[in-house]
Amino acid sequence: DAKTTQPTSMDCAEGRAANLPCNHSTISGNEYVYWYRQIHSQGPQYIIHGLKNNETNEMASLIITEDRKSSTLILPHATLRDTAVYYCILPPEETSGSRLTFGEGTQLTVNP
Amino acid sequence: DGGITQSPKYLFRKEGQNVTLSCEQNLNHDAMYWYRQDPGQGLRLIYYSQIVNDFQKGDIAEGYSVSREKKESFPLTVTSAQKNPTAFYLCASSLDRGRFDGTEAFFGQGTRLTVV
Repeated sequence: DAKTTQPTSMDCAEGRAANLPCNHSTISGNEYVYWYRQIHSQGPQYIIHGLKNNETNEMASLIITEDRKSSTLILPHATLRDTAVYYCILPPEETSGSRLTFGEGTQLTVNP
Repeated sequence: DGGITQSPKYLFRKEGQNVTLSCEQNLNHDAMYWYRQDPGQGLRLIYYSQIVNDFQKGDIAEGYSVSREKKESFPLTVTSAQKNPTAFYLCASSLDRGRFDGTEAFFGQGTRLTVV
């Protein structure tokens, strides 16, 4: 399985950009990178995904390095409601479909 | 509104009793999943189903059972064989168009099971 590595925790000031890194050095050529977040005691919420190109939606931007070995999720103007655990995920190789394996993620705390 | 619904939100059971957690989706998704989450930890896959009447074990299936008789429903039974059943249980669904076709999973709000 392709593995991801994320920092355990990060802090960010309200209104500033939050940049959450993820290393996935063993990613294969056709694997997507997914990002989800989980606010305390709720179900995870999909944020964004990408393959090779950078992606942007109403929630965040995803920057993937050219060699695809790492990516960064950017929340351009973090708010207190963005405090959550953020998961960087790659589907395992041996299965089809969207079977997702969640690690421990990064606890992002947005401070006032 | 389309979505995925888990019920109940909180559930209490006595040790030794089986308990069934409900998960229903009206998103017309083929794939459904059950995860378990313990405090301060990530999600661990219990079972998943990619089509009606078929399901596969995940990473921690022992002590659990599922059924998939309808596309919309994927109930999870926590049996008395599960040694430490107290946890937060999450159900999810997705279109399952294949691993190389990026597709998102939708999660329910979870059921917090406490066994006393």
